[in-house]
Amino acid sequence: GAVVSQHPSRVICKSGTSVKIECRSLDFQATTMFWYRQFPKQSLMLMATSNEGSKATYEQGVEKDKFLINHASLTLSTLTVTSAHPEDSSFYICSARVAGKPLSGNTIYFGEGSWLTVV
Amino acid sequence: AQTVTQSQPEMSVQEAETVTLSCTYDTSESNYYLFWYKQPPSRQMILVIRQEAYKQQNATENRFSVNFQKAAKSFSLKISDSQLGDTAMYFCAFLPGGSNYKLTFGKGTLLTVNP
Repeated sequence: GAVVSQHPSRVICKSGTSVKIECRSLDFQATTMFWYRQFPKQSLMLMATSNEGSKATYEQGVEKDKFLINHASLTLSTLTVTSAHPEDSSFYICSARVAGKPLSGNTIYFGEGSWLTVV
Repeated sequence: AQTVTQSQPEMSVQEAETVTLSCTYDTSESNYYLFWYKQPPSRQMILVIRQEAYKQQNATENRFSVNFQKAAKSFSLKISDSQLGDTAMYFCAFLPGGSNYKLTFGKGTLLTVNP
């Protein structure tokens, strides 16, 4: 089946610095990718929808300037947490929609997720 | 806007027994999809089963089956012959038809399978 890879799986950064998380579709093209945040023992919260070649669409309450999303190619979307603070520590997970196919559960794939710890 | 409700935060079942996880949703859409995802301790989201709203027949995938009641907006997951590897967080999710590709998740049910 299709594979979505996230990197890094774990990252620790100092408060005030920026950190980038990559989401790659390894064997398919993804026109749309989604970024979620998940707190411990909670559900996935959609942060933004990343569209190839255009600006990301952010959910209400998500700071656009803090969580920069770039989807420069059909196989790569990046999430950059700028000026990270301890409250940004969380599990971030991406998903990707297979381009050109009717949307269904079989054509949305999730990455393995990335743990971010800001110290 | 759609909402998905999972009323059971935690459940447990003995190995080899059957368990049912509940999910209800609210929507004004006529065309949509419903899913159950499994999230084990590794945190990888794994699709368990999906149901297209226009299909009356309940979806089944090996030991997993759903009871889809469209009029009642209910979508429960039945796991038969529970295995230790089924221990995970289970999320019910809703996806509208058309060009809105956003999944709406329930809060999840933590299922523990006991030996």
